[in-house]
Order: sequence, then structure tokens, then C-alpha cells
Amino acid sequence: DTEVTQTPKHLVMGMTNKKSLKCEQHMGHRAMYWYKQKAKKPPELMFVYSYEKLSINESVPSRFSPECPNSSLLNLHLHALQPEDSALYLCASSQERGQGGFTGELFFGEGSRLTVL
Amino acid sequence: AQTVTQSQPEMSVQEAETVTLSCTYDTSESDYYLFWYKQPPSRQMILVIRQEAYKQQNATENRFSVNFQKAAKSFSLKISDSQLGDAAMYFCAYRFSNTGNQFYFGTGTSLTVIP
Repeated sequence: DTEVTQTPKHLVMGMTNKKSLKCEQHMGHRAMYWYKQKAKKPPELMFVYSYEKLSINESVPSRFSPECPNSSLLNLHLHALQPEDSALYLCASSQERGQGGFTGELFFGEGSRLTVL
Repeated sequence: AQTVTQSQPEMSVQEAETVTLSCTYDTSESDYYLFWYKQPPSRQMILVIRQEAYKQQNATENRFSVNFQKAAKSFSLKISDSQLGDAAMYFCAYRFSNTGNQFYFGTGTSLTVIP
């Protein structure tokens, strides 16, 4: 299984809503990532979890709250978002160094397309 | 600062022809991985090819090959026998081999394949 599965694929929310994006992988990867991507732009790193601990937070506003319940799951909780937060949110995973056969690359999910009204 | 430059925002190629996408990067590290990712419209970003900086031999994956020039910090992607399904955004990226989980992405090249 080389998939990263993200749900939902599409999400429309108002500025006062609370919603969550979910991500799951069963490749045994111990690093998981959230990226934000605008159309025709490169992905922008938001958060990285390494061995279920938050290791990178790229000064993301507190209206985005990540959570890593276990080594296979990654959530992104959304609250009081702004219209400019509308984007494609990509989850990715990779091996961590020390895992056998480290190859370094990111495996991406299909993304959750978020629209904030 | 770690930077990746893709100087061609848009490229086009005739079906069955060959196209080369350029990528240069700036780092003082000597050990790193380089990647080309492909993102078709409204579809998933997938790895096209990867190169380990300590390997002098250029990586190849079927119709995709790279020209890796470490001293020049250049990592271009050649697509041979272009197919309609090659139309996508292509992102060049690298990460350090020994530390951190930061990936540095270029700004992307949008490739159009003309039938």
C-alpha cells in the first residue's frame, strides 16, 4: 500500500465553522506533513510530525490546529478561517532516517480542496 | 538561504518530442536528495524521479532522465517521447540527507503537450 488517503476531497465552510481534515497512511512512515497549495504554486509547508511529535510549525495561524493521534493518522482542525485560507491542503508522509531503506521522498495524498465563504 | 529556481514558468512540447525542464538550487550542504514531482491538473502530486547527490550517475526512469551537475547545482529533467499524459506542473525539490524534514520546492514549470 503506497497511498496517502485524505478526506474529505472537498470542503466548503463558513468563517465561523469548525471542521477537520483527515489523513491516513499505512506505509509505516514516521514523518507526516501538512502543506497548503494555491493554484499553480508550489506547496507551502505548514506542519511536520516526526514520530508523532510536532517537529516543525511554520508560523501557521492558530486557526489551524494539527493533531497526530497515532503513527498512521494526521488531522488538521480548522476554526474561524478566512477566505484567503481557501486552498488545496495536501497531506504527505515520508520515512524517517533510521527506518530501513530510507529513500527520502514525500508521498502525497490527493488533497482536500477547501473553500471558505 | 536554501532556494530552488525553475526559470521556465511554462513550456510546451509536441507529442513524441523531447523536452528539458531546468532547475538550479543553492545550498552549502554536500549531501542531499533531489526530486522531480509531477502534478497533473486537479490530480495528485507524484514522484517522477529522484537523485542522491553523492551518486554521479544520472537517474533514469523509463522516458524520464535527469542531468545532474553537482558543481553547477543544476538538476534538469528530460522527458523523451512526450505523451499527452505528461501535461502537468513539474516541481523540482530537494532535502538534506542527514538532518531535518524540510523540503525546498521550486516555483514549478507548467508543461503543455501539443497533439
